[in-house]
Amino acid sequence: AQSVAQPEDQVNVAEGNPLTVKCTYSVSGNPYLFWYVQYPNRGLQFLLKYITGDNLVKGSYGFEAEFNKSQTSFHLKKPSALVSDSALYFCAEARGGKLIFGQGTELSVKP
Amino acid sequence: SQTIHQWPATLVQPVGSPLSLECTVEGTSNPNLYWYRQAAGRGLQLLFYSVGIGQISSEVPQNLSASRPQDRQFILSSKKLLLSDSGFYLCACRTGLAGVSYNEQFFGPGTRLTVL
Repeated sequence: AQSVAQPEDQVNVAEGNPLTVKCTYSVSGNPYLFWYVQYPNRGLQFLLKYITGDNLVKGSYGFEAEFNKSQTSFHLKKPSALVSDSALYFCAEARGGKLIFGQGTELSVKP
Repeated sequence: SQTIHQWPATLVQPVGSPLSLECTVEGTSNPNLYWYRQAAGRGLQLLFYSVGIGQISSEVPQNLSASRPQDRQFILSSKKLLLSDSGFYLCACRTGLAGVSYNEQFFGPGTRLTVL
């Protein structure tokens, strides 16, 4: 069974609107969770991570993510989307020195 | 911070030919190194994982092999390529102890392999 799930293959947002990219995890205990972004034909870029502490994590390019233990979720958010945010986003959970990735969500921001 | 180099950037190879992709890391020592394959522009599959020189863990049975001849060099190889080996190959690096997971991985720019 998939331990990291991104339920939406694609998310469409108008520029200037808030965006949310969803992620749920299934490990018990205290997970280490990550978000990455990938632009076409490029490697993945690290955005942010949750290790412990404050449930709201701030990252690069104005992105943030909220860890919710009761809902086992770690949704990526941004208050105001930019066209340049259009890319493929991956959620991941660390386990034993390795990352378990979700299947990715394509974010499209239209002007 | 570390920098990850991969070459070549793109490669077109015939079925049955050998393969060698190289990944080198700058700016850190004793890194944990990873090879991933991304097919069809979406899902990432972990192929190999190395915690040190000569130490390779294979995650899935396949037509590929990996080697780590130096601390900051990680090589992906095949003796005979298959059509199904086509994809985008990513090398990644993580600092910290092997079993400690809270350090993020950093990715190289990738190699696009097309097998014809």
